[in-house]
Amino acid sequence: AQTVTQSQPEMSVQEAETVTLSCTYDTSESDYYLFWYKQPPSRQMILVIRQEAYKQQNATENRFSVNFQKAAKSFSLKISDSQLGDAAMYFCAYNLGSNYQLIWGAGTKLIIKP
Amino acid sequence: DTGVSQDPRHKITKRGQNVTFRCDPISEHNRLYWYRQTLGQGPEFLTYFQNEAQLEKSRLLSDRFSAERPKGSFSTLEIQRTEQGDSAMYLCASSFVSGGAYNEQFFGPGTRLTVL
Repeated sequence: AQTVTQSQPEMSVQEAETVTLSCTYDTSESDYYLFWYKQPPSRQMILVIRQEAYKQQNATENRFSVNFQKAAKSFSLKISDSQLGDAAMYFCAYNLGSNYQLIWGAGTKLIIKP
Repeated sequence: DTGVSQDPRHKITKRGQNVTFRCDPISEHNRLYWYRQTLGQGPEFLTYFQNEAQLEKSRLLSDRFSAERPKGSFSTLEIQRTEQGDSAMYLCASSFVSGGAYNEQFFGPGTRLTVL
């Protein structure tokens, strides 16, 4: 069975610095998708970044980038130049494609210190 | 279209009562998903619709839970004879799916249910 593990319940970072959130997953499939979602307090879940497993190049979206290590089944999120608005719960998720369900990690609470 | 909306945002009920939640997806989206999220956890899949057809239900969805999407637009999730363990955030998401490739799910703000 596929599982997603986020081992950091909470992380804190000084504003303008860089932070990395960890995620590992377990699967026997070779083609799949990985995601990082952000859930700000009392606001809805939004997609931050997506990685297709068949792509070797790590995905990047502005200040957000991932380190995808397929053999190690690791998918970490790096946030550069942290901003106060980055404070949120961050969830790592896995999916085999549109006909399959998202499998979610338990989340990491990110605190930004001004 | 301003995105996925859910109503109500908060619901407090007494154990044993029935509750119904509504989700309005993004208008052109053919898929609609329901999730449950308890405090400190990621969402858990409950069920999803492709247009008006309910294609999959999680084992988490007991007989007390029922969902509908009568015209392939909005959806309702009803919980009968609520229990304290039903207290959670109920999230709705929608997406447009064509073929097997993943399409982004857009989430609503959720309905927070408290069962006293």
